[in-house]
Amino acid sequence: GQQLNQSPQSMFIQEGEDVSMNCTSSSIFNTWLWYKQDPGEGPVLLIALYKAGELTSNGRLTAQFGITRKDSFLNISASIPSDVGIYFCAVSLASKLTFGTGTRLQVTL
Amino acid sequence: GAGVSQSPSNKVTEKGKDVELRCDPISGHTALYWYRQSLGQGLEFLIYFQGNSAPDKSGLPSDRFSAERTGGSVSTLTIQRTQQEDSAVYLCASTSTRPNEQFFGPGTRLTVL
Repeated sequence: GQQLNQSPQSMFIQEGEDVSMNCTSSSIFNTWLWYKQDPGEGPVLLIALYKAGELTSNGRLTAQFGITRKDSFLNISASIPSDVGIYFCAVSLASKLTFGTGTRLQVTL
Repeated sequence: GAGVSQSPSNKVTEKGKDVELRCDPISGHTALYWYRQSLGQGLEFLIYFQGNSAPDKSGLPSDRFSAERTGGSVSTLTIQRTQQEDSAVYLCASTSTRPNEQFFGPGTRLTVL
């Protein structure tokens, strides 16, 4: 099946720092999505990207759809404690989503 | 309710028993998905229902797994003769006009002893 490589696997940052994570694939996809999962909850959609090269923001979050359509990154600016969680990238093919293995973010005060 | 709900939230069963997991999608959503999430892993697609079409079962790991969706709304995922490797969180999602923008329930944590 399709494989998405997310990096880093985990990161510890201090409150107020900016965060960057990315997701790569060996295949081309036309839709990239970023989800966040809090403990004991289902993932919540943060940003959806539908056009190569597209840069989209949602509050302190910014995501870009790579021009090659094989990658995407997510930036979080000025992190706060509630940013803690697991961030997943996902790609869409035939109405089904394939998820990356996630980046676990921990924020220290 | 406003979101996707799943029940039970936790299920502990013995190896070899059958289990049923329930999902109530958002009202009016035509598509419903089941995923499995093993500890520390991403989500693995299991099955997809869209309207009255035949479900896409391509992700079901074995014939012990089945799912149905009654009346285009509630769905039940059934695992027969459970095995320890079936232990995971089972997540349900629904969506309407934008298939990529899936809304997830909180999941059912299944533990097979």
